[in-house]
Amino acid sequence: DIEMTQSPSTLSASVGDRVTITCRASQSITPWLAWYQQKPGKAPKLLIYKASTLESGVPSRFSGSGSGTEFTLTISSLQPDDFATYHCQQYNSYPYTFGQGTKLEIK
Amino acid sequence: QVQLQESGPGLVKPSETLSLTCSVSGGSINSYFWSWIRQPAGKKLEWIGRIFASGSTYYNPSLKSRVTMSVDTSKNQVSLKLTSVTAADTAVYYCARDYDADRVFYWYFDLWGRGTLVTVSS
Repeated sequence: DIEMTQSPSTLSASVGDRVTITCRASQSITPWLAWYQQKPGKAPKLLIYKASTLESGVPSRFSGSGSGTEFTLTISSLQPDDFATYHCQQYNSYPYTFGQGTKLEIK
Repeated sequence: QVQLQESGPGLVKPSETLSLTCSVSGGSINSYFWSWIRQPAGKKLEWIGRIFASGSTYYNPSLKSRVTMSVDTSKNQVSLKLTSVTAADTAVYYCARDYDADRVFYWYFDLWGRGTLVTVSS
């Protein structure tokens, strides 16, 4: 199985900050990586697929980049609604696997 | 818009079978793959497997011996059965739609249900 590792596990930031979350795969998965946002008690929401393609309706302050085994999710200017947990997921090969999640907290 | 809703018993006894249904509204289940994903409290999401509307399946090898998925196109539902459950199967279970925007045979999850908590306990 492809192991997905996110860092950091927890991130404290303020409204207006620029933040970056990293996701590393145990082998190359280019470009088959997705990012999801999850709020407590809610379903995950797709933000980005194919490493850098923004899902329709997702604000442009979210962006994704990377290739091979290292990928990043960047939020350019944090808004109050962005405080949540973010998950990366590879869909390069079966079985699909997720990172452990990064909790974005208000500083 | 398309919505997914998981349903089933919230409590299952050890060694018994967990059975869940995902009802799809606002659209047809035809022409899509549908996945089940679970998340134990405080742990990462785990993909259980997927089923196509035709009934073809792929299961996570770690669960394959205990998992069965099925589809009922007349009811617009997909179902999950997990046998011989233990406390380790306690989790929130989600159904999700697999999507391939570029039609390149690589699917991610574009729609999710809200999830249902299943606790395995006697």
